Amino acid sequence: AQTVTQSQPEMSVQEAETVTLSCTYDTSESDYYLFWYKQPPSRQMILVIRQEAYKQQNATENRFSVNFQKAAKSFSLKISDSQLGDAAMYFCAYSTSGTYKYIFGTGTRLKVLA
Amino acid sequence: DAGITQSPRHKVTETGTPVTLRCHQTENHRYMYWYRQDPGHGLRLIHYSYGVKDTDKGEVSDGYSVSRSKTEDFLLTLESATSSQTSVYFCAISGLAGGVDTQYFGPGTRLTVL
Repeated sequence: AQTVTQSQPEMSVQEAETVTLSCTYDTSESDYYLFWYKQPPSRQMILVIRQEAYKQQNATENRFSVNFQKAAKSFSLKISDSQLGDAAMYFCAYSTSGTYKYIFGTGTRLKVLA
Repeated sequence: DAGITQSPRHKVTETGTPVTLRCHQTENHRYMYWYRQDPGHGLRLIHYSYGVKDTDKGEVSDGYSVSRSKTEDFLLTLESATSSQTSVYFCAISGLAGGVDTQYFGPGTRLTVL
């Protein structure tokens, strides 16, 4: 069975600095997707970024980028130039291609300090 | 934003009463999901649906039932609510976004069982 692990329950970053959130996963599949979701205090789950396993190039979305290490089964999220609005819970998620089933980590709470 | 609504958004009920939560989508996606979110557990899948009248259990399905009579609606029922079912419930849909199976979430329902 696939698993997703986020080992950092909470992290803090100074405004304008860079922070990296860690995520590891376990799977025997070769074709899968990885996601990062953001959950601000409003509770809405917002897709931040996604990565297809077959793509070697790391995905980027503005200030958000990932470091995808397939062999190490690691999928970390880097937030550059952190803003107060980045404060939220961040969830890492996995899905085997074609299964439409998603597995979530337990989340990392990010605090942004002014 | 994906067109997903949940009703009610908040509910307080008493132990032993039946409760039904509704999820409505306007995206015509085949897959729909119900999750619960609890501190320290991330998102856990309760039930999901892969078509009208086609449903299956997730990892925490005990005490819950679902129905899907139309593509756009997915109902979650707690036949006899218990205090352990106090949680935030999220509905989600899954569809292709840029060629990638991606999950999108509703705004959530906070349920309190007294």
